Amino acid sequence: DADVTQTPRNRITKTGKRIMLECSQTKGHDRMYWYRQDPGLGLRLIYYSFDVKDINKGEISDGYSVSRQAQAKFSLSLESAIPNQTALYFCATSDFQSSYNEQFFGPGTRLTVL
Amino acid sequence: GQNIDQPTEMTATEGAIVQINCTYQTSGFNGLFWYQQHAGEAPTFLSYNVLDGLEEKGRFSSFLSRSKGYSYLLLKELQMKDSASYLCAVPNNYGQNFVFGPGTRLSVLP
Repeated sequence: DADVTQTPRNRITKTGKRIMLECSQTKGHDRMYWYRQDPGLGLRLIYYSFDVKDINKGEISDGYSVSRQAQAKFSLSLESAIPNQTALYFCATSDFQSSYNEQFFGPGTRLTVL
Repeated sequence: GQNIDQPTEMTATEGAIVQINCTYQTSGFNGLFWYQQHAGEAPTFLSYNVLDGLEEKGRFSSFLSRSKGYSYLLLKELQMKDSASYLCAVPNNYGQNFVFGPGTRLSVLP
């Protein structure tokens, strides 16, 4: 079973619609992240959370919001989707107590906004 | 702020050796990571360097020079399955999250 799961894996929506991407993890990690990936731009951080009561903006948080419902769940919402939010979205987790604090990524959600 | 540069694309032949470079600028240093990402898939952790020098892990090695703001990933005995993007990443000043480079897309040809 995958340690970090994302739903849905693919989504096509229309401009102005509200959409939620969900991330769950069974790794027991305290830290969770949301990134988007665009061709030629690499991974860019949207939001991150170090525990249930901690939410922080990343590099490109405008137009997005998040919710950390539990240690294992971290959701990303697009309140009113626009075409330039078309991208591949990744959730990631890390363990503060690990030697490297490396990040473990989910399989990604491919979002298309028409 | 932080800035990371990598070549956009590289091509190499099966069985050969390839070196992928990464230069970075950061006001604080908390180590450097390399990730591998196959097309359409999640990035996976390859290596971590925090001290100067070479870290070897099987066919893959990673080098770091903190004074030069420079790292490279060395892939030996290239295989077709090594065709992927390779991402260089550095934690921010407080080690709270990562800044990723744009990635280098490596194509391994027969």
